[in-house]
Amino acid sequence: GAVVSQHPSWVICKSGTSVKIECRSLDFQATTMFWYRQFPKQSLMLMATSNEGSKATYEQGVEKDKFLINHASLTLSTLTVTSAHPEDSSFYICSTDRVDTGELFFGEGSRLTVL
Amino acid sequence: KNEVEQSPQNLTAQEGEFITINCSYSVGISALHWLQQHPGGGIVSLFMLSSGKKKHGRLIATINIQEKHSSLHITASHPRDSAVYICAVMDSNYQLIWGAGTKLIIKP
Repeated sequence: GAVVSQHPSWVICKSGTSVKIECRSLDFQATTMFWYRQFPKQSLMLMATSNEGSKATYEQGVEKDKFLINHASLTLSTLTVTSAHPEDSSFYICSTDRVDTGELFFGEGSRLTVL
Repeated sequence: KNEVEQSPQNLTAQEGEFITINCSYSVGISALHWLQQHPGGGIVSLFMLSSGKKKHGRLIATINIQEKHSSLHITASHPRDSAVYICAVMDSNYQLIWGAGTKLIIKP
C-alpha cells in the first residue's frame, strides 16, 4: 500500500480559486516534505521544502504567497495554490524520506487544471 | 554542465532485450536513487545505493563511487517496463539533485 497518500489525484478549478493538495505520511513520521511541480514532458522541479513546525523553504522563483505550504504535523503537509491561474496547471507531487534509512517515498501526484 | 547526467535520453527496444541506463554525477553524494515514473505521473523508488550493487527481480543497479557512475539494468525487458527512469543523488547538503530522466519504450 501507499506510504505517502496524496489527494486529490486530479482537480479542475476556475481561475481565481484556491486549491489545497494534501500529503499524508501513513507509515512513519515525515519530518521533511518536498513539493515538486512537473510540466508536460519536463523534469520534476523542486518548489519548496517543508519541515514540521517551521516555515517552508522555497526555491528561487517560487512565490511563497501563491504556493502556501503548511506542515503542522509529522504526518500531514499541505500545498495550497492560491488564486490559481491557467499557467498554474501542472502535476504536483510530494515526497518525503525516512530519516533512518534515507529511502524516498512519493505521493501519487495531483494533476491540477485551471480553466 | 548538469551535476547529474543521464544517458540515453530516449531508448526504444524490443521486448526481451537487455536494457542499460547510465547516470554520471559530479558532486559528492550520500546516496543515489533510481526512480521510475509511469505515464500517469506516479513515481516509485526502485533503488537507493551508496555502494556496490542491488538486485530486485529483473532490475539491477550498480554504483561506482570512485568513477561517480551508476547504471540501471533491466533484464528480459517487457512492455510494462516502459516508463521514465530517473537518477537522483542526495548531495552532502541534503539536497536531492535530479537527472533529466530516460524515457524507455519497450515494444512487444
